[in-house]
This record gives sequence, C-alpha cells and structure tokens, in this order.
Amino acid sequence: IQMTQSPSSLSASVGDRVTITCRASQSIINYLNWYQQKPGKAPKLLIYAASSLQVGVPSRFSGSGSGTDFTLTISSLQPDDFATYYCQQGYSTPSTFGQGTKLEIK
Amino acid sequence: QVQLVESGGGVVQPGMSLRLSCTASGFTFSAYGMHWVRQAPGKGLEWVTIIWYDGSKRYYTDSVQGRFTVSRDNSKNTLYLQMNSLRAEDTGVYYCARDTHCSSTTCSVYFDYWGHGTLVTVSS
Repeated sequence: IQMTQSPSSLSASVGDRVTITCRASQSIINYLNWYQQKPGKAPKLLIYAASSLQVGVPSRFSGSGSGTDFTLTISSLQPDDFATYYCQQGYSTPSTFGQGTKLEIK
Repeated sequence: QVQLVESGGGVVQPGMSLRLSCTASGFTFSAYGMHWVRQAPGKGLEWVTIIWYDGSKRYYTDSVQGRFTVSRDNSKNTLYLQMNSLRAEDTGVYYCARDTHCSSTTCSVYFDYWGHGTLVTVSS
C-alpha cells in the first residue's frame, strides 16, 4: 500500500493552524498513524488509529479520516512543533510510511 | 521507564554480514511484538520487519526477504536483526520499536517506543 503525503514541505508561523494530508492507495479503514521526527532523533508517536491521541501528546494535535484520506492538524503551532511528520499504515504487511512533510518556520 | 538500546552497527563491505541487537528494559519484553524500522541518510522511514512477542510469526519487507532474519531472546530481553548479503541500499539508521499490542494473530503495527538507532554503512 502506497502512502502519499502532501505537502512535502510547509512553512508556517507560530500560532498558525496547519493541516497535513495523507492518502492511501487503497482503503486502510482507520489503521493510520502519525509520527513526529526531529533531526537526529527517533520518531515519536502522535496519533494512532487515525484519531486517537497518544498519551502525553498535546491536545493541539488531532487526526481525522478513514478509508483512504487522512489529515493531521496542529491547531496552534508552537516552536517545538517544527519537525518532519510521517503517516504510516498498519492495515497490511508490509507496513508503509508516507514520504514525510517537513514543517519549517516562516 | 521503557528503554530500547540498539547496538551492532558499523561499516561493512557489500556482501558482508552484520548483526544488530536491541536490548529492552522497563517493560515485560516477552509480552510485546517488536519491529525494526530503518532510515537511509536524508530519507524517510522504511519498515523492515516484525516479530511476534513469542517469536511465532515474522514478516519482512520485500527488499530484505531472504537476506535478513529477525529473532529474539526473551530470557535476555533482546531483539536481533541478522543482516546478510548487505547492499549499499541497506545503509541507514536502524531503529528497534515496540508494537503497542499483539494478540496471537494480529499486531497493532504502530510503535509507541523507539530506540535511538544504530547506523549501518555498507560501502566498499
């Protein structure tokens, strides 16, 4: 299953509302997860099962979608949020990631 | 607290072998499925393999099938990745990651804890 994220990169300012989209090449129901990765660090789980917030993740992060189309929304960007974001499908093996969305400071 | 610590990375020539280890602590290792995920330099994430909590099931991405073998020793809280016939395209940081939940037939296939990664470089 191919996962396609858009945009590949995004410039935004602190306080902005940001949405990242992930599209699957076939239905994955809600087996969609989102990760945040900072340079030189391991990824961090943000959202699982499309819309469930991982424990400890700030509530400004939210996820939605089902079937083939999914979104990650950050309601009000904070300085710590500038990173690369990946979607990942867990519907079938091999699990696959999107190519990533790099969120940069404007 | 949960910790995953990878080791065993290094520089090897094409065609050679390498074994990675991931030592777990802070949780009941034998109750969790485990994965390896890799990342080529400057590139995105690529899932490599999963092994069930009891070692009963293993799956691989196509590009490593037949060359890589995942295993675990629950008595030592350690996950392994034996990598044979290495290629330049296997170069990258290899992360071990914990699956959140596995039953006897399925795993959640999302990763709540990750190690810091170990770098594998395949070059002549």
